Amino acid sequence: GDSVTQMEGPVTLSEEAFLTINCTYTATGYPSLFWYVQYPGEGLQLLLKATKADDKGSNKGFEATYRKETTSFHLEKGSVQVSDSAVYFCALSDNAGNMLTFGGGTRLMVKP
Amino acid sequence: DTEVTQTPKHLVMGMTNKKSLKCEQHMGHRAMYWYKQKAKKPPELMFVYSYEKLSINESVPSRFSPECPNSSLLNLHLHALQPEDSALYLCASSQETGDQPQHFGDGTRLSIL
Repeated sequence: GDSVTQMEGPVTLSEEAFLTINCTYTATGYPSLFWYVQYPGEGLQLLLKATKADDKGSNKGFEATYRKETTSFHLEKGSVQVSDSAVYFCALSDNAGNMLTFGGGTRLMVKP
Repeated sequence: DTEVTQTPKHLVMGMTNKKSLKCEQHMGHRAMYWYKQKAKKPPELMFVYSYEKLSINESVPSRFSPECPNSSLLNLHLHALQPEDSALYLCASSQETGDQPQHFGDGTRLSIL
């Protein structure tokens, strides 16, 4: 079945540092890929998405590129802020189904 | 501000109580979802409704009973829950099922005494 693997956290960075959170997936067909963010005490918010190979999703300074050859969708941001501290989930949705398959989540802590 | 509204935000109940969680969206979405999230874990899918019909039940115990009265509302009726059912319950919606992005509410934090 489908699966998503994320780097384990927590990831601790200083403000203005460069962020990479790795995400790789296993799926049949051509899934859509998503990054969701969960701030403390809240639900998940869609951060960005990509629906086909080589698509780049971007939002709020975050970017991720759908790499079919490496089955990856790594999340990057050039300069993190304290307010980016949250848990980040990589997820995929196969086009045939209703289900999101989530990675285990990566906690990001940004220190001033 | 979330466009999916869940009530209550917090709920404490005994194992013999009956309570309901409510979810509402006014985005015209036709797919709605219930998830369960334990601490430091990703959400786990429980139920999917598509056009007000239950389309997926992920082998959820019968003490959880979903209901979709109309296209904007989704309920989760709770009865005789166990302490291990304590978790954050998230509702989500999307335009259709499939690869549409899902919009999540802030959840109901449920504690079973």
